[in-house]
Amino acid sequence: DARVTQTPRHKVTEMGQEVTMRCQPILGHNTVFWYRQTMMQGLELLAYFRNRAPLDDSGMPKDRFSAEMPDATLATLKIQPSEPRDSAVYFCASGSGPGTSGGGGETQYFGPGTRLLVL
Amino acid sequence: AQSVSQHNHHVILSEAASLELGCNYSYGGTVNLFWYVQYPGQHLQLLLKYFSGDPLVKGIKGFEAEFIKSKFSFNLRKPSVQWSDTAEYFCAVLSSNTGKLIFGQGTTLQVKP
Repeated sequence: DARVTQTPRHKVTEMGQEVTMRCQPILGHNTVFWYRQTMMQGLELLAYFRNRAPLDDSGMPKDRFSAEMPDATLATLKIQPSEPRDSAVYFCASGSGPGTSGGGGETQYFGPGTRLLVL
Repeated sequence: AQSVSQHNHHVILSEAASLELGCNYSYGGTVNLFWYVQYPGQHLQLLLKYFSGDPLVKGIKGFEAEFIKSKFSFNLRKPSVQWSDTAEYFCAVLSSNTGKLIFGQGTTLQVKP
């Protein structure tokens, strides 16, 4: 049963600390998305990659957030320095975009999320 | 601008009642539509999706949705809800230009036992 995995599942840190969240997409998926979910804003798309290349990170605060895909099996989202307003659940999702055997429309499969609390 | 609107923010039903959650989209391109469910404290799970073909789509756990192109709608239905269906439900449309999912604001369903 292929799944998206995320680590850590929970993170409590102090303001100013660096936070790194990791995501392992489903094997064979070539698109990775990072979302943030809060009560106030709902689901927000932060960034996404196709074939490891960043396609859009316009939803991400550039001064403190960075997203990378060092290889096809790992995506990272980093916050440095973290602030209390970054407290949220961060979801990673993966899918089979154009150019893969998935074909048709792209279905995104979500990971369990990282619940971040910045004190 | 592309958008998805879910009419009901909070729905409360008794067990065995029928469910219909509204979803309207605004998008001019090829339409790929989704319903996701998020159980309390969990991640989003795919309920069903429509890409093409039969506009009546059946998903998991007895859910179905009907794509009505003339109404720009993709409403979610279930004939008889259970307490375990208590969750938040998100409708989404895939932008074929950008590959992004555009989500509605979500509908919280509370089923009373």
